[in-house]
Order: sequence, then C-alpha cells, then structure tokens
Amino acid sequence: DTEVTQTPKHLVMGMTNKKSLKCEQHMGHRAMYWYKQKAKKPPELMFVYSYEKLSINESVPSRFSPECPNSSLLNLHLHALQPEDSALYLCASSQAPTGPSYEQYFGPGTRLTVT
Amino acid sequence: QKEVEQNSGPLSVPEGAIASLNCTYSDRGSQSFFWYRQYSGKSPELIMFIYSNGDKEDGRFTAQLNKASQYVSLLIRDSQPSDSATYLCAGGGSQGNLIFGKGTKLSVKP
Repeated sequence: DTEVTQTPKHLVMGMTNKKSLKCEQHMGHRAMYWYKQKAKKPPELMFVYSYEKLSINESVPSRFSPECPNSSLLNLHLHALQPEDSALYLCASSQAPTGPSYEQYFGPGTRLTVT
Repeated sequence: QKEVEQNSGPLSVPEGAIASLNCTYSDRGSQSFFWYRQYSGKSPELIMFIYSNGDKEDGRFTAQLNKASQYVSLLIRDSQPSDSATYLCAGGGSQGNLIFGKGTKLSVKP
C-alpha cells in the first residue's frame, strides 16, 4: 500500500482565518514532507520531518506552522495567509533517508485558495 | 547551488513512438534520482527511481543514469496518449529532500 491521504481536498480561507491541513500515511515511513506547488512550477520543499523531528525548514514564513503528532500524521497549521499563498499543498512520505534509496510518495494534495 | 535541469518542452511524439526525456544535475553528491509523472491538476506520481549507473527497466519505462556525465534520462516505449503529462526529474538531496527540475511537458499525439 503506497497511499498517502490528505484532507481537505479543497480549502478556501480568508486572510484572517486559521485552518489546518492534514496528512496521513500507513506505510511505516519515518520521514514526511510538506511541499507547495504553484501552477506550472515544480514542487517547492517547505518542511521535512524525520523520525517525528523537524529536520528541514526551508525559510518558510511563520504563518505556516508544521506539526508531526506521531509517525503517521503530519499537520500544517495556517494563519493570516496572503493571497500569494494560494497553491497546491502536497504531503509526501518516505523511508528515513539513511540509504541511497528513499523514494517519496505524494498524497493527492490540498488545493488552497486565500481570498 | 544544487540544480536539476530539464528541457521544459513541450515534447511531442506520435503514438507508438519512443519518448526520450532528459535531465542533468549539478550535485555530484546526489546518489538517487527519481522520475515523477504529473497530470494537470493532480499530484506527482512516482514512476521510476535509479541510483546505480546504467539502465533500469520497468515495463515500458527505462531509466538511465550516467554519474560521470551527471545525466539522467527516461525512455518511454510505445508511447500512449495517456502518457501525456509533465515529467519531473528529481535528485536526492543530502537530507532526504528532493531537488526537482522544472519538468518536461510530454504530448503523445494519436
């Protein structure tokens, strides 16, 4: 089973709202990722969690706050977003990167629109 | 700056032909390379990964890696209209992150 699930599929929020994106995997993976993807661009890494600890934060604004409650779950808390934050938010998971092969599997994404 | 370069295309091939997608990378420390297929409005789907020099085949897909030339390619044999998508090449970074190329848009004409 190579499934990563994400909820919600679509989200529309105002600039003063607080919302959360959720991601879940049941593949026994120990690394999880958040990416942001704008139209006609490749995915852009935001955060990496390895063994439930934040290992990479790609200088993401503090209005994005990640959380990894356990090895299967990953959340992204959103607050005071800007219209330019509208994008497809992708979650991915992989085995922990301790060897040469750590292919990442992506969830279906959450399409976020900030009004 | 670690980079992965791809020709953005579009690459157009007739149905049944071989589609050849290429990318180059700058980081000699990268050990693993990945090809993802992304349909419009959907998330990336992993189709191949390779970490040894040479060829790796899976059905109609063949990935090729040449570490000396820092070159990765994906061949799609007997291309079908359903293969029309954007193909993303990615190299593995030192912390498990992926470094993506900008993607090549492939169009397979019936």
